[in-house]
Amino acid sequence: SYELTQPPSVSVSPGQTARITCSGDALPKKYAYWYQQKSGQAPVLVIYEDSKRPSGIPERFSGSSSGTMATLTISGAQVEDEADYSCYSTDISVYHRVFGGGTKLTVL
Amino acid sequence: QVQLVESGGGVVQPGRSLRLSCAASGFTFSTYGMHWVRQAPGKGLEWVAVIWFDGSNKFYADSVKGRFTISRDISKNTLYLQMNSLRAEDTAVYYCARESGSGSYPDSWGQGTLVTVSS
Repeated sequence: SYELTQPPSVSVSPGQTARITCSGDALPKKYAYWYQQKSGQAPVLVIYEDSKRPSGIPERFSGSSSGTMATLTISGAQVEDEADYSCYSTDISVYHRVFGGGTKLTVL
Repeated sequence: QVQLVESGGGVVQPGRSLRLSCAASGFTFSTYGMHWVRQAPGKGLEWVAVIWFDGSNKFYADSVKGRFTISRDISKNTLYLQMNSLRAEDTAVYYCARESGSGSYPDSWGQGTLVTVSS
């Protein structure tokens, strides 16, 4: 079955740039999406179609994709950005959707 | 605004069945695909199933195929997940989510309902 691979954790100091990667064989042909999930809350979409930002999401959140890797970048990370971040995509068939294992971002 | 409210979770013995519901409001339910996504305690998100806006197609994760059934009732603006032959590894918070009108991804989520499979 199709898999998306993320690092388990990323840690930055406030004001630094955080980068979270997501690798998958179908990413050259399929969009990546990113969700933020704070403790005890439902996920929130922060990036769609590789690099688009939904309304209400701060400009410090950006996304990119190249080859088999998608990247979520948080420029000038803030303490309130501390959360789990999960990438999402579809396999080549589009029938199956998949989440990455999630990355815990610590801003400390 | 979009509102999704899950219900039906609880404690169930292995091998038994449970049906989850998701009441939708704030959008035209009949024109959107819908997903179920789950999250085991301390684990990441796992996509479970999707149903197209008109119910014509349904797709499942390999881990639940043949045991879970996704369905919808347009007249009640409600999404369902029938879960049969439950296993301990099905223990999770189950979220329903609306599929974006412009792509194959969830764009709005409910708050989830906890299912615990234990004897």
